[in-house]
Amino acid sequence: GNSVTQMEGPVTLSEEAFLTINCTYTATGYPSLFWYVQYPGEGLQLLLKATKADDKGSNKGFEATYRKETTSFHLEKGSVQVSDSAVYFCALRGDDYKLSFGAGTTVTVRA
Amino acid sequence: KAGVTQTPRYLIKTRGQQVTLSCSPISGHRSVSWYQQTPGQGLQFLFEYFSETQRNKGNFPGRFSGRQFSNSRSEMNVSTLELGDSALYLCASSFDRGRMQTQYFGPGTRLLVL
Repeated sequence: GNSVTQMEGPVTLSEEAFLTINCTYTATGYPSLFWYVQYPGEGLQLLLKATKADDKGSNKGFEATYRKETTSFHLEKGSVQVSDSAVYFCALRGDDYKLSFGAGTTVTVRA
Repeated sequence: KAGVTQTPRYLIKTRGQQVTLSCSPISGHRSVSWYQQTPGQGLQFLFEYFSETQRNKGNFPGRFSGRQFSNSRSEMNVSTLELGDSALYLCASSFDRGRMQTQYFGPGTRLLVL
């Protein structure tokens, strides 16, 4: 079946530091890949997506590139802010149409 | 356009009771999926409804059921509640089925079983 593996953290950074969260996946066919973010007490918000190989998703300074050869979709941001503190989930949607999630990575940014 | 709404936001029940959770998708969205989020198991898929039919089901016991109405609103029901059913239940909607469709999530219903 489909599965997603992401670094679990927690990750603690200083403001303006570079953030990378690794995500790799196993899937049959050609899944779409997503990053969702969850703030305390809230549901999941879509951060970015990519639907085919070599696509780059970007939003709010975050980027991730769909790498089929390495089955990866790593999330990056060049300069984090305190407001980026949240839990980040990597997910894929394959031919079964359901979202499979990674375990989530808790990111804390200190001023 | 209003987002996905879920009611109630919080629930406290006791073991053996049953509970019904409600989800209203984004206007025009026809696919509704449900997920359970717990600290131990993370986010797990429960089921998906499209055009009032269950199209997909996760690995949960038969105590978990759902339905979708003609206006795409959905409900899920959990009967004979167990302590382990305590979780955040998230509803997500998308315009259509398909791997490229983005699912948009509601704020969730937090269920506590005592």
